Amino acid sequence: ETGVTQSPTHLIKTRGQQVTLRCSSQSGHNTVSWYQQALGQGPQFIFQYYREEENGRGNFPPRFSGLQFPNYSSELNVNALELDDSALYLCASSLEGTLNYGYTFGSGTRLTVV
Amino acid sequence: GENVEQHPSTLSVQEGDSAVIKCTYSDSASNYFPWYKQELGKGPQLIIDIRSNVGEKKDQRIAVTLNKTAKHFSLHITETQPEDSAVYFCAALSGGYQKVTFGTGTKLQVIP
Repeated sequence: ETGVTQSPTHLIKTRGQQVTLRCSSQSGHNTVSWYQQALGQGPQFIFQYYREEENGRGNFPPRFSGLQFPNYSSELNVNALELDDSALYLCASSLEGTLNYGYTFGSGTRLTVV
Repeated sequence: GENVEQHPSTLSVQEGDSAVIKCTYSDSASNYFPWYKQELGKGPQLIIDIRSNVGEKKDQRIAVTLNKTAKHFSLHITETQPEDSAVYFCAALSGGYQKVTFGTGTKLQVIP
């Protein structure tokens, strides 16, 4: 059973640019959630994807968008990057529709905006 | 929406002592409360969880208690070891989908 893998592990972008982060969910999981974790803070919910559709969204602007593919992998896209977008971006997979609510997190992508 | 508060923000204990981390939540509809351990450079790892129909759960040296009336829950680690040093997050699940709201984290240091 493979865990959640995220790529890339580290990324440096310039303010105003666009970025795409990728996530492969754990085998058997059909739901992917994305979180932003600023330094010294708890993860903040960005959005969740289930059956290739957004299934809930946190308090993030529309320039944060995502996709889920038929194999349940997912992408997070951020347009018009701002300095405050610098953070660890975490992907978590889970199995919707069961009593097993446990998330499995990836190790994250560290994004630095300069 | 749900709001989860966690304290203390830092905690230092001697090896072998117990550690307790406390959290409160605001949404009475929340029904699932996981605890995560995050080591440096890694994603959070689920260490124990509790559902709203249970008051206490134990797994070896780790236990969690839940008081639904007061809307608070706690993590107890007994016989702490240096490898327990990490940041611990409490969380609560609410909403019609699996949205998990995290606390602000507790940095636990176990001193050998």
